[in-house]
Amino acid sequence: GDSVTQMEGPVTLSEEACLTINCTYTATGYPSLFWYVQYPGEGLQLLLKATKADDKGSNKGFEATYRKETTSFHLEKGSVQVSDSAVYFCALSDRGGGADGLTFGKGTHLIIQP
Amino acid sequence: KAGVTQTPRYLIKTRGQQVTLSCSPISGHRSVSWYQQTPGQGLQFLFEYFSETQRNKGNFPGRFSGRQFSNSRSEMNVSTLELGDSALYLCASSLRTATMNTEAFFGQGTRLTVV
Repeated sequence: GDSVTQMEGPVTLSEEACLTINCTYTATGYPSLFWYVQYPGEGLQLLLKATKADDKGSNKGFEATYRKETTSFHLEKGSVQVSDSAVYFCALSDRGGGADGLTFGKGTHLIIQP
Repeated sequence: KAGVTQTPRYLIKTRGQQVTLSCSPISGHRSVSWYQQTPGQGLQFLFEYFSETQRNKGNFPGRFSGRQFSNSRSEMNVSTLELGDSALYLCASSLRTATMNTEAFFGQGTRLTVV
């Protein structure tokens, strides 16, 4: 079945450092790929998405590129802020990206220190 | 507009009891899905309801069930609670039509503790 693997952390960085959170996936066909973010005490928020190979999703300074050849969707940001501290989930869907049947990674806890 | 609303936010139940959780989707959204989040297993898909019918189901025992009402509100029920059912239960809604399915919007979740 489908699966998503991501580094679990915690990942601790200083403010203004560069961020990369690795995500690789296994799926049949051509899934849509997502990054969700969960702040303390909150539900998940969609951060960015890509629906086909070589697409780049971007939002709030974060970027991720759908790499079919390496089955990867790594999350990157050039300069992180304390407010980026949260848990980040990589996910895939082979059903067009709605609420049903999303397969999530275990989540990466990101801590940004001032 | 209002987001996805889940009630209650916190619940404490005893082993063997049953529990019902409620989810009100974003206005106009007809697809509602439920997920279980635990430290060990992460986020796992329970089931999806669309137009009052269960459309998809994850790999959970029959103790986990749900339903959707004509106004798209959904309830999830867990019977004969076990300690391992302690988790954050998240509801998500999306605008699903015959030709497309928009992004999922998640509620804040219901924290269930089974003692």
